[in-house]
Amino acid sequence: EVQLVESGGGLVQPGGSLRLSCAASGFTFSDHYMDWVRQAPGKGLEWVGRIRNKANSYTTEYAASVKGRFTISRDDSKNSLFLQMSSLKTEDTAVYYCVRSSLYYFDNWGQGTLVTVSS
Amino acid sequence: IQMTQSPSSLSASVGDTVTITCRASQGINNYLAWFQQKPGKAPKSLIYAASSLQSGVPSKFSGSGSGTDFTLTISSLQPEDFATYYCQHYKTYPITFGQGTRLEIK
Repeated sequence: EVQLVESGGGLVQPGGSLRLSCAASGFTFSDHYMDWVRQAPGKGLEWVGRIRNKANSYTTEYAASVKGRFTISRDDSKNSLFLQMSSLKTEDTAVYYCVRSSLYYFDNWGQGTLVTVSS
Repeated sequence: IQMTQSPSSLSASVGDTVTITCRASQGINNYLAWFQQKPGKAPKSLIYAASSLQSGVPSKFSGSGSGTDFTLTISSLQPEDFATYYCQHYKTYPITFGQGTRLEIK
C-alpha cells in the first residue's frame, strides 16, 4: 500500500524558515516524480513544485509564488521528500500535501501537514 | 494556463447524475485530471488523462474531453459522493487547478 506521511508543520513567524518532510513507503520511491501541493484555509488547491527522479537528474520546477524562497529535495536512500521553506509570508499559511506522480499525473496524496505563518 | 470550473456549486439528490465542466484557457490535449476532496481530508485522485480512472475508483465516475473543454460525470449519486471536485492540467508548468465545484445534497 502506498503511504505518504508528512511532518514538520507548525507555527512560524513571518520571515522565518521551516522544513517539511514526507516519508514514503509501499512503492519504489526513486522511480517517481514527487510534488508538493498546498491549500490555504478555506481555499482551493495550489501546486507548489515538483522534483523529478534520478533518471531526470532530480531537476525541479516551482510555482512563481514560491520560487526563490522554497526548495524541494529528496533522499532516495531514505525514501524521503523535503520542502525547505524560507522567507515565509503570512500567505504561505496552508496545509501542505506531499503527492506522488506517475507519468506526470498525480496519483497518491499524503494526509497533509499544517503550516501557520503568524506573529 | 487557467482552469475554470462550472458551476462553482451544485445541489443534487441521491440517485441523480451530475456533470461538472472544466475549461482550459488554452489547449492542453488530454493532460487533465480530476480530484475529489471531502471536508478535512486530503484530495483523492479520480481521473487522469481526461478519461482514465485511477485504480480503485468506481466506474460511476467518468471523464471526457480534449483540447480546452472537459467534463466529469458522476452517476447514481450516493451520500459519500458529496464533496468538492477539482480539475487540474499537467501539460506545462505551472500546473494549475480549477477553483473547485462544491457538490451538495439537495
